[in-house]
Amino acid sequence: AQSVAQPEDQVNVAEGNPLTVKCTYSVSGNPYLFWYVQYPNRGLQFLLKYITGDNLVKGSYGFEAEFNKSQTSFHLKKPSALVSDSALYFCAVSSNAGNNRKLIWGLGTSLAVNP
Amino acid sequence: DTGVSQDPRHKITKRGQNVTFRCDPISEHNRLYWYRQTLGQGPEFLTYFQNEAQLEKSRLLSDRFSAERPKGSFSTLEIQRTEQGDSAMYLCASSSPDINYGYTFGSGTRLTVV
Repeated sequence: AQSVAQPEDQVNVAEGNPLTVKCTYSVSGNPYLFWYVQYPNRGLQFLLKYITGDNLVKGSYGFEAEFNKSQTSFHLKKPSALVSDSALYFCAVSSNAGNNRKLIWGLGTSLAVNP
Repeated sequence: DTGVSQDPRHKITKRGQNVTFRCDPISEHNRLYWYRQTLGQGPEFLTYFQNEAQLEKSRLLSDRFSAERPKGSFSTLEIQRTEQGDSAMYLCASSSPDINYGYTFGSGTRLTVV
């Protein structure tokens, strides 16, 4: 069965420091991996995705993520955090196995960037 | 087309009443998904349409829940005899057949059952 784990409920970083939000996954077939962000009382906004190609994926707002097949991970990173990055971050996975294009979601990680 | 639209944004209803939510996906997207999200949790899958066909329905979706997408365009999600446990954000998303583009989410409908 497909699954996604976000091992940290909350991540706290100081503004200007690098941030990492962790995600590991389990799928059959090749993974399609996504990061979404959710601000309070808002819907989910797409940040970036990995489908194929370069393992380092660059996305919106200066975020990037690195696909690591051997570790089955897709950690979200940003070199220098902003207070405005404070939000809920969700990792999601699908696969090319079968015709099911349903995304499986992690439970989310709350990122707090302190001034 | 400015994205996925959901209506209403907020709904407060008394326990036992029926409610209906609407989702208008991006026009060229043939796949439409309903999710439910409670505070501090990730989205929980409810159901999924490809065009007008409902291809999958979660076990979370009790008999009180029904969803339709009659012409393969907009979709409705109805909850009958609402219970306080139904209080949540109901999210709609759409996608093209090519998963490379991921989902586009609407802003959600927040349901409060009192």
